[in-house]
Amino acid sequence: QQQVKQSPQSLIVQKGGISIINCAYENTAFDYFPWYQQFPGKGPALLIAIRPDVSEKKEGRFTISFNKSAKQFSLHIMDSQPGDSATYFCAASIRGSARQLTFGSGTQLTVLP
Amino acid sequence: DTGVSQNPRHKITKRGQNVTFRCDPISEHNRLYWYRQTLGQGPEFLTYFQNEAQLEKSRLLSDRFSAERPKGSFSTLEIQRTEQGDSAMYLCASSLAPSGGGTDTQYFGPGTRLTVL
Repeated sequence: QQQVKQSPQSLIVQKGGISIINCAYENTAFDYFPWYQQFPGKGPALLIAIRPDVSEKKEGRFTISFNKSAKQFSLHIMDSQPGDSATYFCAASIRGSARQLTFGSGTQLTVLP
Repeated sequence: DTGVSQNPRHKITKRGQNVTFRCDPISEHNRLYWYRQTLGQGPEFLTYFQNEAQLEKSRLLSDRFSAERPKGSFSTLEIQRTEQGDSAMYLCASSLAPSGGGTDTQYFGPGTRLTVL
């Protein structure tokens, strides 16, 4: 059962543009929502994360917007650069002993120079 | 390099053979996770260790899979009687449990890519 749905599957953006990736979740017990960036041949790396008690978190060019009532959250990459070209995964986890991450299916972002 | 390391990086095996992967977490990290990632998909949780204790296993982890973390340091993941459906990237992650509650960050290794012929 897929508990975190991510879209789009792929995204092409011009350099300097805004990249937007969306995720929706089903399990209301989720209380931690990270975004991971993965380059080919590498493991995922944490980019930014948010808790449901805030609606937005910004770190540099990366912003998470969170809508608790709609059970949706999104990643915005401002001033997208070719170096941002990678696969992005949203994830969610439940407070508890394991904190295992449930990942979305990923978005392959290509930023054209 | 003080990150999570995994060996081997690539493994090609024939169906029916046994394979073992190793993960060395970031030192002092007491939590260790194994995930499996197939092409075009996000990682899927397999199992979790707190120190040397295996505390949770996914239903994805069939009885052909076994994981250990002796002495709470490195971990091994063994797959017995491999099947073509086992072909995937096996990722290891580690984290440090926060002392005052909160959320720990999982740091991933580069993964071991398994191909079963």
